[in-house]
Amino acid sequence: AQSVTQLGSHVSVSEGALVLLRCNYSSSVPPYLFWYVQYPNQGLQLLLKYTSAATLVKGINGFEAEFKKSETSFHLTKPSAHMRDAAEYFCAVSGRIGNEKLTFGTGTRLTIIP
Amino acid sequence: DTGVSQDPRHKITKRGQNVTFRCDPISEHNRLYWYRQTLGQGPEFLTYFQNEAQLEKSRLLSDRFSAERPKGSFSTLEIQRTEQGDSAMYLCASSLVGTDQETQYFGPGTRLLVL
Repeated sequence: AQSVTQLGSHVSVSEGALVLLRCNYSSSVPPYLFWYVQYPNQGLQLLLKYTSAATLVKGINGFEAEFKKSETSFHLTKPSAHMRDAAEYFCAVSGRIGNEKLTFGTGTRLTIIP
Repeated sequence: DTGVSQDPRHKITKRGQNVTFRCDPISEHNRLYWYRQTLGQGPEFLTYFQNEAQLEKSRLLSDRFSAERPKGSFSTLEIQRTEQGDSAMYLCASSLVGTDQETQYFGPGTRLLVL
């Protein structure tokens, strides 16, 4: 069984400040890990993914995440927040080949303070 | 290259009615997934297809739910005798097996409201 836990259902940061969204995973097999972003009334857009290559993964819109096996974490960061980053962010885990369905966390709503 | 499309985008129905949603995946994607997202929650897996074959169904998919992908292209999700608890966003995603580490690309979703 696989699961992810997102700590903090709401995070607020000032424009220009560091963004840190936390995700911890549980998996009995080496996982694939993903971050998706969802804007209001829209589907999910892939930000980045970890698939056992480099542990530091760079994504779109200046986001990156680091896979830390010892901490079972895959936190999402961005050095400088922008107003357009305000959205809901979901961490997800899947198994490897043959078990690709995604298991999502409950999401973190990011608010940017002008 | 068009993305995943879903129709309709919004559906309001009365309890007890049947509804059907359609998903058109990215062209040539052989995997198609359905997820359900309720307010304040992350999406939950419902079922998925590889080509025409339905390979897995979640326990969330009660007998009132049925999904098809008859020609391995578009898919439909039907809910019979809708209940208020079925109110949710229904998301479709597609992927291509064997490439891009199985990245799933999501459609805009169909928002269902059961009165």
